[in-house]
This record gives sequence, C-alpha cells and structure tokens, in this order.
Amino acid sequence: QKEVEQNSGPLSVPEGAIASLNCTYSDRGSQSFFWYRQYSGKSPELIMSIYSNGDKEDGRFTAQLNKASQYVSLLIRDSQPSDSATYLCAVIKPGAQKLVFGQGTRLTINP
Amino acid sequence: GAGVSQSPSNKVTEKGKDVELRCDPISGHTALYWYRQRLGQGLEFLIYFQGNSAPDKSGLPSDRFSAERTGESVSTLTIQRTQQEDSAVYLCASSPRAGAGTDTQYFGPGTRLTVL
Repeated sequence: QKEVEQNSGPLSVPEGAIASLNCTYSDRGSQSFFWYRQYSGKSPELIMSIYSNGDKEDGRFTAQLNKASQYVSLLIRDSQPSDSATYLCAVIKPGAQKLVFGQGTRLTINP
Repeated sequence: GAGVSQSPSNKVTEKGKDVELRCDPISGHTALYWYRQRLGQGLEFLIYFQGNSAPDKSGLPSDRFSAERTGESVSTLTIQRTQQEDSAVYLCASSPRAGAGTDTQYFGPGTRLTVL
C-alpha cells in the first residue's frame, strides 16, 4: 500500500461546477496535510494546509480532513479553466519533517 | 522577497558523467529539502537539511547521490556516474524553521536533468 494515494485521473469537470479531489494516507499518526497545485512544467505551489478534523475554507477552495477514515479532500467551487492542473496531496508523517506526496490527480476544467 | 532559486534550469549530460545541481533557499529559512520528480509522477523525497543537525538522507536512492549545505545557505546535490534512470526534475524547497512540520515548504523552479 502506498503511503499517500490519489486517483491519477484525468478528472474532467465542466466550468462552474465543483471539482472534488480525494487522497488517502496510510499512517494513522500523520498530523499535517497539504494540497499543492502544479501546472505543467512548473513547480508545486501550496493551495491549502489542514491539521484538524473538519473543513477549512479559503476562497473557492475547501480542504476536508477525516483522520478516523484517513482521508483528506479538496473541493474547488465554481471551477475555472485556470484551475486545470495536477493537484498533489502531501502528508507529513509523525516524527518526520519530509513531505510524502501522492502521485497527483490531473484535473481538467472544460469551458 | 526572492524565492527559492535553482541552477541550472536544464542540464543534459552523458551517461557516466557527474552533475552538480544548486539550490539557493529563501534567506533565513532553516530547513531545506531536495525532491525528485520523474515524468508523470509525484515528488520523491531525497534529503532534508535541518539547521545544524545531521541531515536526513533516508531518501537518497544510491551512494551515487550526495548533497551538502553550508550553514543555512546554498545547497548542492551531486549525482556521480549518472544513469538514464536519473533523468527527472530535481526540486528544492525551503521552509522557515527546522523541526516544524507545519511550516509551508516553498519550492524552487527545479532543474530538469536529462541523461543521454
């Protein structure tokens, strides 16, 4: 089992709809969770971080964390073509400082 | 202020040659990380420098890989006797504090390495 798992996609969503990206992790003790966006040929940029169970909202983005089920999700409301990118889920395992990344989900927003 | 910078942006080398990749972290950032990203894949952790403590080298794939960092400044990643499977984008990231898992990691633009 991979430490961080994501559906590689591609995930296609019509413009204006809600895009839902999911991620599961294997280490129950993980405390810090991150969503990065990566445009083709570019480096990752942080979208959201979440540390506590529940929802965290920032503009059109909402991160959701459920530690009991070991999943973290990212919702993008009113999705725009500029949201088309690969979204990387990353987790910091207990006792370590390195990010463990999933393989990413490629999202395409169709005009 | 300035972000993380990396050089060169692209490197093409022949199999068996050594390469050196450079990372300049954000000024004042204590923690520095190297990752590797193969085409279509997620990021793979290589090494983590945490202030003056011993680096976490647990992600280095072989003894052909090594990295150094002088104080809290520049880091170099060296790959000796390069192989074709070393072809990837090598990404450097820095964060403000060592040992603070919640700190955001800021990524540089990466070095694209191609081994012929």
